[in-house]
Amino acid sequence: GAVVSQHPSWVICKSGTSVKIECRSLDFQATTMFWYRQFPKQSLMLMATSNEGSKATYEQGVEKDKFLINHASLTLSTLTVTSAHPEDSSFYICSAPQGTNEKLFFGSGTQLSVL
Amino acid sequence: DAKTTQPTSMDCAEGRAANLPCNHSTISGNEYVYWYRQIHSQGPQYIIHGLKNNETNEMASLIITEDRKSSTLILPHATLRDTAVYYCIVRVATGGFKTIFGAGTRLFVKA
Repeated sequence: GAVVSQHPSWVICKSGTSVKIECRSLDFQATTMFWYRQFPKQSLMLMATSNEGSKATYEQGVEKDKFLINHASLTLSTLTVTSAHPEDSSFYICSAPQGTNEKLFFGSGTQLSVL
Repeated sequence: DAKTTQPTSMDCAEGRAANLPCNHSTISGNEYVYWYRQIHSQGPQYIIHGLKNNETNEMASLIITEDRKSSTLILPHATLRDTAVYYCIVRVATGGFKTIFGAGTRLFVKA
């Protein structure tokens, strides 16, 4: 199957700093990518849809100025958590659809811990 | 996208078939049924999808009722490594539509 690579796997940062998470489709092109966050023992919550060459579409309640998304190429989308605070600590997961029925392929996730 | 209903959790003995049900009574004619699973602390993994015919691949089988209002994911010989949360999702297959995850079913495979 298709491969989506996500880095870093985990990151610890101080409150107030910014963290960038990269999501790459390794063997296919993705004009659209999706970013999710997941709190412990909860389901995935869609944060935003990343669109290559245009602005991301954010879900209701997600601050676009705090979670900056850039989809500069057909294989790379980045999520930057700006001025991170402890409540931003979560598991962040990216995904990209591939194939005629747009099966989703997921990155391995990034565990963010903000101290 | 149509809403799905799944049991919160299920147990299965190792080596036996695991049958995971999903209700999607409001599914539209152009919506597919997708199944994903998430093993603890990993990104979800695609399992299988279908429109109205039963489907089988190397991981599982998908049985969709004739009225398409429900489906069952079958893992024919469950192993301990199949312990995960299984998500049933219905959505249109094309157009870049977003995928919304429900709570899923937490499957415990026991030795």
